[in-house]
Amino acid sequence: KQEVTQIPAALSVPEGENLVLNCSFTDSAIYNLQWFRQDPGKGLTSLLLIQSSQREQTSGRLNASLDKSSGRSTLYIAASQPGDSATYLCAVRPGGGADGLTFGKGTHLIIQP
Amino acid sequence: AAGVIQSPRHLIKEKRETATLKCYPIPRHDTVYWYQQGPGQDPQFLISFYEKMQSDKGSIPDRFSAQQFSDYHSELNMSSLELGDSALYFCASSFGRGPYEQYFGPGTRLTVT
Repeated sequence: KQEVTQIPAALSVPEGENLVLNCSFTDSAIYNLQWFRQDPGKGLTSLLLIQSSQREQTSGRLNASLDKSSGRSTLYIAASQPGDSATYLCAVRPGGGADGLTFGKGTHLIIQP
Repeated sequence: AAGVIQSPRHLIKEKRETATLKCYPIPRHDTVYWYQQGPGQDPQFLISFYEKMQSDKGSIPDRFSAQQFSDYHSELNMSSLELGDSALYFCASSFGRGPYEQYFGPGTRLTVT
């Protein structure tokens, strides 16, 4: 059974810092990996999607990398802003025709003004 | 851009009652997914539909059922509600079952008293 782990569980940094969120998964046979942002009590906003054949994706200040063979992904946030404060969730879509995403428990990020 | 629409946004039911949640996917999206997120938990995949047929099944209780209609909207029917069913229920949609990004709706918050 696929398990997704996110480290750290919580992170608090001053505004302007660059930071890295980590995600690891136990079964490397994945279809793709998505990073989401969730504000308290709100829905999930998709940030980046990386296909299993890709190594990284970039969107604005965000860059996500994928090392499928080692079961790891990282989300890099450049020049952090208070508005980046949220919970960041990593989710993998298994291979073999399965539809459902398996989520990690998230990293709760606070950017201090 | 149009997003996934879920209704109602909030629902309060008593134990043993029934509830119906509705999901309207992004236009031209033919695949719908349902997830349940309990308090402080990561989202758990329940069930998915592609072209009005069930395509994958996750941890959906037998008391729950779902279907997708000819206009691609989907309904999640929940019977004999239990206190433990209190959660955020998300619907997501994608264009096809392939390696496509899943776009999440704002969720329906169900409270069972």
